[in-house]
Amino acid sequence: RKEVEQDPGPFNVPEGATVAFNCTYSNSASQSFFWYRQDCRKEPKLLMSVYSSGNEDGRFTAQLNRASQYISLLIRDSKLSDSATYLCVVNNIGGSYIPTFGRGTSLIVHP
Amino acid sequence: NAGVTQTPKFQVLKTGQSMTLQCAQDMNHNSMYWYRQDPGMGLRLIYYSASEGTTDKGEVPNGYNVSRLNKREFSLRLESAAPSQTSVYFCASRASYNEQFFGPGTRLTVL
Repeated sequence: RKEVEQDPGPFNVPEGATVAFNCTYSNSASQSFFWYRQDCRKEPKLLMSVYSSGNEDGRFTAQLNRASQYISLLIRDSKLSDSATYLCVVNNIGGSYIPTFGRGTSLIVHP
Repeated sequence: NAGVTQTPKFQVLKTGQSMTLQCAQDMNHNSMYWYRQDPGMGLRLIYYSASEGTTDKGEVPNGYNVSRLNKREFSLRLESAAPSQTSVYFCASRASYNEQFFGPGTRLTVL
């Protein structure tokens, strides 16, 4: 089993839709979690950190479920500009300095 | 703050040529990383440096060497380039177990 797994998609949704991605991780000792956004041929950029209590930033909501070992990202009222690949990142697997990236979930928002 | 900078942005090499990719960060981060990303693939870690003076292999180190020149700079060297090293290379840095910040990438083609 991979350490961090994501459904690669693509998720193809109309503008205004709500879409959710999950990311599962294998190591229960993982301590910090992030969602990154990557546009085609560009560098990944931090979208939001994921806190134990869940957190919201505008149309984006991130949640952590430690019992089931997954994090989620919910995007409400999707915009064309949300089209990108969304990467989940898990830190401190095994106490190392290496963040572990999922392979990403592709989102396509169409008119 | 420039964040993480990488040079060059683009490079074309012939098989067997050597080159060094440069990376610098101005955020006073301890840890720095080199990744490669191939079409449809996730980020794969080549080498990382947890702190100044230390370097360690990542998932795909063969054919590469690194130097952590000082706290700011972390270079990646290809001694004898091969077509299989055609990729986009990203440098990243981070403080402790926080989020990573990525450079804009170097697009390398080996003919």
